[in-house]
Amino acid sequence: ETGVTQSPTHLIKTRGQQVTLRCSSQSGHNTVSWYQQALGQGPQFIFQYYREEENGRGNFPPRFSGLQFPNYSSELNVNALELDDSALYLCASSRGREGRNTEAFFGQGTRLTVV
Amino acid sequence: AQTVTQSQPEMSVQEAETVTLSCTYDTSESNYYLFWYKQPPSRQMILVIRQEAYKQQNATENRFSVNFQKAAKSFSLKISDSQLGDTAMYFCAFMSAYSGAGSYQLTFGKGTKLSVIP
Repeated sequence: ETGVTQSPTHLIKTRGQQVTLRCSSQSGHNTVSWYQQALGQGPQFIFQYYREEENGRGNFPPRFSGLQFPNYSSELNVNALELDDSALYLCASSRGREGRNTEAFFGQGTRLTVV
Repeated sequence: AQTVTQSQPEMSVQEAETVTLSCTYDTSESNYYLFWYKQPPSRQMILVIRQEAYKQQNATENRFSVNFQKAAKSFSLKISDSQLGDTAMYFCAFMSAYSGAGSYQLTFGKGTKLSVIP
């Protein structure tokens, strides 16, 4: 068990709605990254949070937003859901810059279906 | 921007045999990390092996080893003595060693579906 937990595991939403996905990082990790994995594709980087601040963003529109809390857990929010947002959303935590530890530990993901 | 290409969408191997998964990447950076991740049906990405670009020696982890060719920008994964539990999607991934904003971001290939046949 890697210690990264995501909730919920599955979610069905209607187009135009808003959704919040949650991630608890592994103990001792201060960096959280979010990825979107469409069916049959590799994960794509959405954004990363380091010590509660956004620390890099991929090619995703502003309706994808996030937060990191003082305990380093994180939320991913998606507004105005579109059908193409249907995907597996993965959260990964790492120690970030301290110790240059590059290993990212992933959660089991949230499967979002937009209908 | 970096790109990672996995040209084998699907592969199969007999149990106890050896299989090699291919990966090529494109980058203008000289210092970076390369990874192979395994994603079983449980969906959780599991790190299989990591290679640091400045190290000439190929990484090995038990039955897993890599063939890292920096000049050719090639990073293949060899699985020896394949086991049924190795059945999964395998993703090759790149991470820049740059330590500024956006660091520790992984760029993934599209994956190779490996089936180990009894």
